[in-house]
Amino acid sequence: ETGVTQSPTHLIKTRGQQVTLRCSSQSGHNTVSWYQQALGQGPQFIFQYYREEENGRGNFPPRFSGLQFPNYSSELNVNALELDDSALYLCASSPGLAGGYTDTQYFGPGTRLTVL
Amino acid sequence: GENVGLHLPTLSVQEGDNSIINCAYSNSASDYFIWYKQESGKGPQFIIDIRSNMDKRQGQRVTVLLNKTVKHLSLQIAATQPGDSAVYFCAEDAYNQGGKLIFGQGTELSVKP
Repeated sequence: ETGVTQSPTHLIKTRGQQVTLRCSSQSGHNTVSWYQQALGQGPQFIFQYYREEENGRGNFPPRFSGLQFPNYSSELNVNALELDDSALYLCASSPGLAGGYTDTQYFGPGTRLTVL
Repeated sequence: GENVGLHLPTLSVQEGDNSIINCAYSNSASDYFIWYKQESGKGPQFIIDIRSNMDKRQGQRVTVLLNKTVKHLSLQIAATQPGDSAVYFCAEDAYNQGGKLIFGQGTELSVKP
């Protein structure tokens, strides 16, 4: 069984650029959640996708957007990058047993984004 | 609140001792709780979970205790090993949170050989 994978591992962008991060969910999982983790802090929820629909969203501006594909992989897009967007971006997948809610979330290794 | 502060609490233990990591959660409606272990440069790794209809759950070398009255969660690690050194996060979830896990501040566990 393959776990959650993310690409790329590291990324360097400049302020104002756009970035796309990718996530492949664990086999058999139909729900993907994205989190932002700043250095020294716990992950902060960005949004969740359940069966290709946005299922819930955290306190992030609209320039953070996402997609989930029919194979349940997902993308996180961030437009107009700001310096504060520098963080570890984590993807987590879950089986979607209760519509994505109160479901065990398994995390990938993350993508380290640096904005200069 | 959510993830306030940059200075993680630190717990230092001797190899072989038992470790207890505590967490206060924020939402009285939360009904699902998870402990994660995060090593440097890696994503959080699932350790153990508990639902609100239980007050104790045991895994291999780990036990989670839940006290809903005071909104407190603890993780006990038996016979702590150097490989247990990491940051430990508790996370809470509720059906009305849209899939959002709320993470605690995190505790850095350091195991001395």
